[in-house]
Amino acid sequence: GAVVSQHPSWVICKSGTSVKIECRSLDFQATTMFWYRQFPKQSLMLMATSNEGSKATYEQGVEKDKFLINHASLTLSTLTVTSAHPEDSSFYICSARVFRDRDTEAFFGQGTRLTVV
Amino acid sequence: AQSVTQPDIHITVSEGASLELRCNYSYGATPYLFWYVQSPGQGLQLLLKYFSGDTLVQGIKGFEAEFKRSQSSFNLRKPSVHWSDAAEYFCAVGARRGGNEKLTFGTGTRLTIIP
Repeated sequence: GAVVSQHPSWVICKSGTSVKIECRSLDFQATTMFWYRQFPKQSLMLMATSNEGSKATYEQGVEKDKFLINHASLTLSTLTVTSAHPEDSSFYICSARVFRDRDTEAFFGQGTRLTVV
Repeated sequence: AQSVTQPDIHITVSEGASLELRCNYSYGATPYLFWYVQSPGQGLQLLLKYFSGDTLVQGIKGFEAEFKRSQSSFNLRKPSVHWSDAAEYFCAVGARRGGNEKLTFGTGTRLTIIP
C-alpha cells in the first residue's frame, strides 16, 4: 500500500510560538491531502483539505489564519499552527487519497502529538 | 450531508470470543464505507472497505464487514478476537464520486480484550 509519512511524531512548544507539521506521500503523488484533528478519546474532525498549487479549503469553524496549510508539491503538505496556545494541544493526522482505476483508498500518516505549554 | 453513527463507545470482549462492532451511516447515495483501526498514539490503519459488489467484504487481521443497504449499516465482525485487537475502531463514509472528497468518521468504539 501507499505510505504517508508525518513529521514530527510529537512536539512540545511554548505558548505563542509556531509549529510546522509535515505530511509526505512517499511512493505516490497526492494532489489532495486532508488534515484532521483528534481530541483525546474522540473521533477525527476534518480541519481542511489541502490542494496542490492552490489554497486550502477549510471546514467551518477552523481558523485559516491560525492553521496555515501549504501544499507546494505533489508529495508534501504542511500544517503550521501559528501562535499556538494550550487549547491547540491535540493529535493532528494527515491523509492522502490514492485512486486506482475506479477504486480509491485513504492512507493516513502516523499522527503528530502537539503539546503547547 | 453524510454522517456515521457508532452506537457503542466501549466494548469489552474476552479473548477468543466473537466480536461485532456496529456502524450506521447516512448518505444520499451509495457510499464508500471503511473501517479503520487506531492503536494509542498512532495513525489509522485500514481494515477493510466496501465500494461495490459482494456486500460481505473481507479485510486484514481476520476482520469482515457486511454492507446492508436496507439497514444503512456496515457492521464489523471477527469470529475470535486476540489480545492484540485491543484498539480504537472507526467507521467512515466517503462520497461515491471519483474526486477528492473527504471522509466522515464515526466517534469510534474502544475495544478492550480481557483474558
